[in-house]
Amino acid sequence: QEQLVESGGGVVQPGRSLSLSCAASGFSFSSYGMHWVRQAPGKGLEWMAIIWFDGSNQYYADSVKGRFTISRDNSNNTLYLHMNSLRADDTAVYYCARLRRRGITAEFTMDVWGKGTTVTISS
Amino acid sequence: DIQMTQFPSTLSASVGDRVTITCRASQSITTWVAWYQQKPGKAPKLLIYDASSLESGVPSRFSGSGSGTDFTLTISSLQPDDFATYHCQHMGTFGQGTKLEIK
Repeated sequence: QEQLVESGGGVVQPGRSLSLSCAASGFSFSSYGMHWVRQAPGKGLEWMAIIWFDGSNQYYADSVKGRFTISRDNSNNTLYLHMNSLRADDTAVYYCARLRRRGITAEFTMDVWGKGTTVTISS
Repeated sequence: DIQMTQFPSTLSASVGDRVTITCRASQSITTWVAWYQQKPGKAPKLLIYDASSLESGVPSRFSGSGSGTDFTLTISSLQPDDFATYHCQHMGTFGQGTKLEIK
């Protein structure tokens, strides 16, 4: 079945970097845009970034622009999020999610989600 | 930037009740509005897309409507499994979430 599995979370000191991965299976990964979404403890969902199906375009939330980079490796069915200059308010569960529509689409609906990986920023 | 104001933030209801959750956009938007259900410790689950289209496998007691600035999620007859948090979304913006609790 269609599945996304995040990994790479952990406890990191403020100012350091961390990379997350999201392994996709059960669908044609290279046909779908992908998102990263996070959820701070006890808070709502916050969209982070989107990358087009072919990796040709990426867009970011203002809160992470210039610090986070979304990328993908379609040959290995894997999505990445590289996070620099981490701050305490980056502490959250990070989810990867699939765009509902294949190919180029302007909408952001997410139909397949991973279970999330927890990132804690603490000294 | 468009803001999505979701209300109520908490809703207490009983099994069998009909409930409605609203998301109001800060300006008129397209109908690219989605609704998600999230249970504690779990990932969100897509319920409704394009404001009113039911995702495959989602029970028909869930429905969505709206246009312009106001969008609603309605559960026609609450079931025990429906007590959860619900989130609306338009593009890169989520509502604040509505926690649906048992009365």
